[in-house]
Amino acid sequence: AQKITQTQPGMFVQEKEAVTLDCTYDTSDPSYGLFWYKQPSSGEMIFLIYQGSYDQQNATEGRYSLNFQKARKSANLVISASQLGDSAMYFCAMREGRDYKLSFGAGTTVTVRA
Amino acid sequence: DVKVTQSSRYLVKRTGEKVFLECVQDMDHENMFWYRQDPGLGLRLIYFSYDVKMKEKGDIPEGYSVSREKKERFSLILESASTNQTSMYLCASSLTSGRVVYEQYFGPGTRLTVT
Repeated sequence: AQKITQTQPGMFVQEKEAVTLDCTYDTSDPSYGLFWYKQPSSGEMIFLIYQGSYDQQNATEGRYSLNFQKARKSANLVISASQLGDSAMYFCAMREGRDYKLSFGAGTTVTVRA
Repeated sequence: DVKVTQSSRYLVKRTGEKVFLECVQDMDHENMFWYRQDPGLGLRLIYFSYDVKMKEKGDIPEGYSVSREKKERFSLILESASTNQTSMYLCASSLTSGRVVYEQYFGPGTRLTVT
């Protein structure tokens, strides 16, 4: 079974608007971590934000915030005030327990329009 | 800043060749990983290593092997390259401190074409 599901293959967003990228996960481990990465066309994966399963508050990093709904097993990324440089592929990933490994979703391509 | 470097950005090899992909990190991270990335499939883990000379299979190890002789270097080896190994290969590293495993830092990727 897929551990991470990203249902949106591609999205268009107008510059300065907010965009929400969906991510649902599947695990039976009570301890896990959720990550979002950005991959521009250059190819390098850039770490954006992290949410631990026991964290009480939603994670935020600048214009990025993570809408963590534990009961629904969702960890959506919200990018506020989109910029042209936000055009990239975005990946959701999960680590379970003390596992070193990450499981990645298929990714969502975001295109920001001027 | 963590720096993860990969030996080549682009590589073209022939079917049956032995291929070496090298990855070096400069932040003394214990853990290193090799992924391949294919459209619609995200990143899939090939092998990882949590210490020198230690390695564990990931989700798709068939056709690959790895070597970690030094902490900073993790090599991916395609023993006999095949066309279905044409892909983007990404190396990553991460730190473990106590009970915490931190985020992974990625290299720029190697786009391998096997003809």
